[in-house]
Amino acid sequence: QQPVQSPQAVILREGEDAVINCSSSKALYSVHWYRQKHGEAPVFLMILLKGGEQKGHEKISASFNEKKQQSSLYLTASQLSYSGTYFCGTEGVGAQKLVFGQGTRLTINP
Amino acid sequence: NAGVTQTPKFQVLKTGQSMTLQCAQDMNHNSMYWYRQDPGMGLRLIYYSASEGTTDKGEVPNGYNVSRLNKREFSLRLESAAPSQTSVYFCASSVGQKNIQYFGAGTRLSVL
Repeated sequence: QQPVQSPQAVILREGEDAVINCSSSKALYSVHWYRQKHGEAPVFLMILLKGGEQKGHEKISASFNEKKQQSSLYLTASQLSYSGTYFCGTEGVGAQKLVFGQGTRLTINP
Repeated sequence: NAGVTQTPKFQVLKTGQSMTLQCAQDMNHNSMYWYRQDPGMGLRLIYYSASEGTTDKGEVPNGYNVSRLNKREFSLRLESAAPSQTSVYFCASSVGQKNIQYFGAGTRLSVL
């Protein structure tokens, strides 16, 4: 079953913060986050494994609450280059495949 | 390294025609995947191959067939194209327990 992302779209000014949420109804082994620029392929950002860890680098980080089967992606002090559509991909235990959410379109204006 | 290469980049078909989308990876990855992307639907898995010699259905397999020709190549075939198969098709590959996916540039297919 497809994870649910919220919000569906966000418009920010450069320098503002954003949070994108991903929620699954199934027990998860991992959550992936990918970013896709218009007309391009999705690109891997980060992976979070069971254990509630928070990962990230610089101004993009993410958390994973395995009890609630939820993950959040945090973008702080957003830059123009952060614009694109963000997808979470969830993997169940032993699944060997990802199920992607419907995407969140992020627009950063100057 | 080229990574994941898909051919063709664009294709227009008439209803009922057949075609094969090609995908090759040079990263020595074990697993390969075919997704379709439609507006507002995200990426939906059509078929995947966890290792050479195996293939499994994903969420939306109807109307498609796949062949894992060898470790490098994974093709997707549309036997009788329908307008509902108009979409952008992405091939991806991954290796290891973390299953991080590396995507090709995509094939934009229109079925008239």
